Amino acid sequence: KAGVTQTPRYLIKTRGQQVTLSCSPISGHRSVSWYQQTPGQGLQFLFEYFSETQRNKGNFPGRFSGRQFSNSRSEMNVSTLELGDSALYLCASSPKTRLAIIDTQYFGPGTRLTVL
Amino acid sequence: AQSVSQHNHHVILSEAASLELGCNYSYGGTVNLFWYVQYPGQHLQLLLKYFSGDPLVKGIKGFEAEFIKSKFSFNLRKPSVQWSDTAEYFCAVNDDRGSTLGRLYFGRGTQLTVWP
Repeated sequence: KAGVTQTPRYLIKTRGQQVTLSCSPISGHRSVSWYQQTPGQGLQFLFEYFSETQRNKGNFPGRFSGRQFSNSRSEMNVSTLELGDSALYLCASSPKTRLAIIDTQYFGPGTRLTVL
Repeated sequence: AQSVSQHNHHVILSEAASLELGCNYSYGGTVNLFWYVQYPGQHLQLLLKYFSGDPLVKGIKGFEAEFIKSKFSFNLRKPSVQWSDTAEYFCAVNDDRGSTLGRLYFGRGTQLTVWP
């Protein structure tokens, strides 16, 4: 099976702009989670989507949003970019079949976002 | 909230040396535990996981980890490291609280450098 894919791999934006990142999960996986990785804060959970609904949200401002489509593909949007949003954004998919269970998360290569 | 501690920020070993990386978590309830590895230029890959059963789990590439519930620990071990094990290692925890079920809490990572 193909792994988790993320596009684009690299992005450069300026402050105030908005950005949309895309994630295609492993075939058959219905859960998609997003994480932000920075040298200062490490890996932090953004949100989880399952069956097109956001199920969990981390401690990030409302500028960070996302959605999931019926084919389980997910997008993450960051509006009004700030310098501190520069990070590697990771998407992970999970084969869990019900919301209320825990299963392994498999990570994509990430999108490297640089905000100038 | 859950916190995950990795005690060593950077570990430097010679080939054939034994490795032990520490990981402690804070939540006292049911947890699932993971070690992920990030090789230079590559994405996060699952090394091993513990969900239940035998607290000594074996993963890929000769790695193993032991879950000690009384110590809230999940230490990673390898009896003899190789140069190709040079990478960053992340401990991660899921817990059973409904509000955070799909969320992985990560440690800050340990950079392992193996000299040939």
